[in-house]
Amino acid sequence: DIVMTQSPLSLPVTPGEPASISCRSSQSLLRSNGYHYLYWYLQKPGQSPQLLIYLGSNRASGVPDRFSGSGSGTDFTLKISRVEAEDAGVYYCMQAVQTPFTFGPGTKVDIK
Amino acid sequence: EVQLLESGGDLVQPGGSLRLSCTASGFTFSNYAMTWVRQAPGKGLQWVSAISHSGAATYYADSVKGRFTISRDNSKNTLYVQMNNLRAEDTALYYCANYDSTGEIPAVIWGQGTMVTVSS
Repeated sequence: DIVMTQSPLSLPVTPGEPASISCRSSQSLLRSNGYHYLYWYLQKPGQSPQLLIYLGSNRASGVPDRFSGSGSGTDFTLKISRVEAEDAGVYYCMQAVQTPFTFGPGTKVDIK
Repeated sequence: EVQLLESGGDLVQPGGSLRLSCTASGFTFSNYAMTWVRQAPGKGLQWVSAISHSGAATYYADSVKGRFTISRDNSKNTLYVQMNNLRAEDTALYYCANYDSTGEIPAVIWGQGTMVTVSS
């Protein structure tokens, strides 16, 4: 199985400041079609997860443009250009290049 | 509006069985693959199973293979997971989610989840 790791696991952030979360996979997430099968989800307190980024760098519908995804191979990053209070929650990366799909442990973002 | 509503969660004894349902609305259910993901209390997300739009292809996490069976009834817009020989470690909130229309995004919209507790 592909192992997903994230860092940091906890991230206190100040509103208006940038934030960055790293996600690494134990195998490449690149398929022959050129896409990286890496996804980012945010689970706000008491809510179901919501899709933020798909195929490594594409924002899902309705996701503010302060969120961006980048990376290749086994190293990926989620960046928030200017954190807002509503961005608090746990961020998960997930790989879907092969089954079983696997999630990272999650990064808890707290707003100071 | 896409909506997914899970049901069927309950308290069950170890070794018992349970069938969860996920009723879909707001999209053409038969055109979309579907996914189950679970979350143990206070823990992270764990992918459980997926099924193709027709039901012909199914996929499972190693931890549930041979015990869980995913299925769907496209005439009823409903996704199922039959869970047998349940263990304490299966205790979790179970979410269903739909793929996107291209089949490239495994979980776009998530339901609110249904709680399964395995305990004597």
